[in-house]
Amino acid sequence: DTEVTQTPKHLVMGMTNKKSLKCEQHMGHRAMYWYKQKAKKPPELMFVYSYEKLSINESVPSRFSPECPNSSLLNLHLHALQPEDSALYLCASSQDWTGANYGYTFGSGTRLTVV
Amino acid sequence: AQSVTQLDSHVSVSEGTPVLLRCNYSSSYSPSLFWYVQHPNKGLQLLLKYTSAATLVKGINGFEAEFKKSETSFHLTKPSAHMSDAAEYFCVVTPLGYSTLTFGKGTMLLVSP
Repeated sequence: DTEVTQTPKHLVMGMTNKKSLKCEQHMGHRAMYWYKQKAKKPPELMFVYSYEKLSINESVPSRFSPECPNSSLLNLHLHALQPEDSALYLCASSQDWTGANYGYTFGSGTRLTVV
Repeated sequence: AQSVTQLDSHVSVSEGTPVLLRCNYSSSYSPSLFWYVQHPNKGLQLLLKYTSAATLVKGINGFEAEFKKSETSFHLTKPSAHMSDAAEYFCVVTPLGYSTLTFGKGTMLLVSP
């Protein structure tokens, strides 16, 4: 298995809803990432997990809450989002913290629309 | 600190003609460099990577890139464009041994019949 699987593929939520995005990989990668991508822009790093511990939080608002229950799974919990949070949310993984040597594997993303 | 400049926001080619997507980088340390491709409403797919081995790197789908340290460039080329190559391409840099990536702003490749 050489894939990163993200669910759901599309999500529409109201500003008062609570929802979660899920990301799964079975490649034995020990670093996992959340990125946010707005239209016609490059991805922006949100969070980095290394060996199931949060390593980097790029000053992301608290309405986004990441969770790494085990080495294969990464969640992003969403609460009280704003319309400007509408974007493609990408999950990625790499072999370990020094992922530069191998590159990242990206999932196909969740297209989030906040109404 | 590192940065990436993709010199063209859009490149248009005809099917069967060569492709050149330009990327210049700056990095305080020995860099790793990547090219990723993103088709509409899809995730990013790794095309190729340079990590201090051979300077001419071959990737998937007939793409290749050459690392030129003296010019701080890592241009992406393909001898003959295919319609399926139409997509957004990102040049990415990171210092060797680090994990966070710095993305260029992307180049949209348009391929006409």
